[in-house]
Amino acid sequence: KAGVTQTPRYLIKTRGQQVTLSCSPISGHRSVSWYQQTPGQGLQFLFEYFSETQRNKGNFPGRFSGRQFSNSRSEMNVSTLELGDSALYLCASSLLTGSSYEQYFGPGTRLTVT
Amino acid sequence: DAKTTQPNSMESNEEEPVHLPCNHSTISGTDYIHWYRQLPSQGPEYVIHGLTSNVNNRMASLAIAEDRKSSTLILHRATLRDAAVYYCILRDYNTDKLIFGTGTRLQVFP
Repeated sequence: KAGVTQTPRYLIKTRGQQVTLSCSPISGHRSVSWYQQTPGQGLQFLFEYFSETQRNKGNFPGRFSGRQFSNSRSEMNVSTLELGDSALYLCASSLLTGSSYEQYFGPGTRLTVT
Repeated sequence: DAKTTQPNSMESNEEEPVHLPCNHSTISGTDYIHWYRQLPSQGPEYVIHGLTSNVNNRMASLAIAEDRKSSTLILHRATLRDAAVYYCILRDYNTDKLIFGTGTRLQVFP
């Protein structure tokens, strides 16, 4: 079974631009979560989507948004990019939502903002 | 969100067992204990999780204290591929968020 895929793998953007990252979960998985990883803050939860609905949200500004499609694929968008948004963005999928379910992570998208 | 405390780093020799401790004194009755690891330049990888009873899978064993205030991830025979940062996480029943701490960096020596 194919794992979680994320596109693109690497991205360079300029301050003020916006960016859209894509995540395809494992086939059959309906929950998708997004995380930001930086050397200073570590891994931080962004949001979780289940059945096209945002179920949880972390403490990030409104510039960070996401959505999930009917096939469970998800996108996250960051508008008005700032230098501090440079990070590894990780997507994780799980079969269903709930604390008893494990998450499977993709390789991440490395975003660099200049 | 309930917090976990882990040692910053640990060392092991190849083929020896490794016991990675985690303290979570504020755990609630419905929090699941999850362990993930992150190898260099990769996304985190699920290792194991449990609620109250000890758990075993092909990767590791999870030993949970009777009062659930601590747990130990056991790698039965460390290999060089096990060198990674190991995260112990309490998954909140109500929000389901995975709140990552700083983790334990495990070094494995040949």
